[in-house]
Amino acid sequence: NAGVMQNPRHLVRRRGQEARLRCSPMKGHSHVYWYRQLPEEGLKFMVYLQKENIIDESGMPKERFSAEFPKEGPSILRIQQVVRGDSAAYFCASSNQGVPFSYNSPLHFGNGTRLTVT
Amino acid sequence: QQPVQSPQAVILREGEDAVINCSSSKALYSVHWYRQKHGEAPVFLMILLKGGEQKGHEKISASFNEKKQQSSLYLTASQLSYSGTYFCGIFTGGGNKLTFGTGTQLKVEL
Repeated sequence: NAGVMQNPRHLVRRRGQEARLRCSPMKGHSHVYWYRQLPEEGLKFMVYLQKENIIDESGMPKERFSAEFPKEGPSILRIQQVVRGDSAAYFCASSNQGVPFSYNSPLHFGNGTRLTVT
Repeated sequence: QQPVQSPQAVILREGEDAVINCSSSKALYSVHWYRQKHGEAPVFLMILLKGGEQKGHEKISASFNEKKQQSSLYLTASQLSYSGTYFCGIFTGGGNKLTFGTGTQLKVEL
């Protein structure tokens, strides 16, 4: 499968636990974006990463949330000490072009991880 | 800042046409259009660039008015498969990220 792969598809966590969401971009893509979507709402930007670098994390909450995209392996979105308000669908998207040509290239989305905090 | 889409929702009969609008308060480098079906990933439809270049779906058309900072998506002879939520996304000058609009829910009925 050459598409963007996210896992797990569904994740249930109790309040206070940690959630780790994984994203493998399309083959040949080195730019990854994470978005959060609440039910019946739009896609909210969280963070943009290139290999080993965070380019823009302006949409990421300052506490409990972190993201990485190591040289080898998938991108990881980590949420510590989850709360009920973190329940949402988290989508990862990848692109084959980055700054300053990001505007010129479509994003390819994964199927998302649906996080439920109980 | 998030672009505003209109209408918020529209119901069509199969074969009818629709226009979805997207407007921004900031100067635009490009406008992207995506469609998302319930429970699924957003799917790329089209990119419109400054200067008039377009990339995307052959059966979908769109316009980009740079002066007014607006884009419109034209869906003609709608099919049942067109149902879903349509999002525009914008790249503004100096921006690193695609900021999505509020979404337009489209339902096509027989």
